[in-house]
Amino acid sequence: DGGITQSPKYLFRKEGQNVTLSCEQNLNHDAMYWYRQDPGQGLRLIYYSQIVNDFQKGDIAEGYSVSREKKESFPLTVTSAQKNPTAFYLCASSLFGQGGTEAFFGQGTRLTVV
Amino acid sequence: GQQLNQSPQSMFIQEGEDVSMNCTSSSIFNTWLWYKQDPGEGPVLLIALYKAGELTSNGRLTAQFGITRKDSFLNISASIPSDVGIYFCAGHLRNTGKLIFGQGTTLQVKP
Repeated sequence: DGGITQSPKYLFRKEGQNVTLSCEQNLNHDAMYWYRQDPGQGLRLIYYSQIVNDFQKGDIAEGYSVSREKKESFPLTVTSAQKNPTAFYLCASSLFGQGGTEAFFGQGTRLTVV
Repeated sequence: GQQLNQSPQSMFIQEGEDVSMNCTSSSIFNTWLWYKQDPGEGPVLLIALYKAGELTSNGRLTAQFGITRKDSFLNISASIPSDVGIYFCAGHLRNTGKLIFGQGTTLQVKP
């Protein structure tokens, strides 16, 4: 089945450790996105990528890093520099970047830092 | 960054009532998307709009892409208990690849 997969669904880390969240899609989509969602809040854009080997900062990129070495994969690293990393992280993909088409989401990863 | 202003923030309605929510922005969008999110899950796409003035339906849901390309609304007719959830608008910002979201409308339906 085609889709977008995030793993793991729940992740626990100690404060000060970097952690990488996985996002894989087999939809042959060009663009991929990472969002952060806090309780009762909307989705805030962290990073996005329109093509392989290129990505742009979103509205809250500080303390995060990404790579886009393959079309199918867009991993997000939450670094120790992120001051409040506990949140629900959502990855999405869409067919074209600038033109804009439907975007589909994974099931999310809930990160808890203790 | 750019913002989408979504309203109302929450709604508590009786089963069978119609619901309307909207999003506005000072920026121009190529695409408007409407999503529904259940607790602990990723948002699910309900309706996609691509042209200014476009009116699109999906069952009891109807959405429109504003003429100015800066706003959109979503209507839900004859609400049922399973409509409960958080509804988000989203837009692809013109001339960038950014997909940004509104703050969400929390819908509760009383049987």
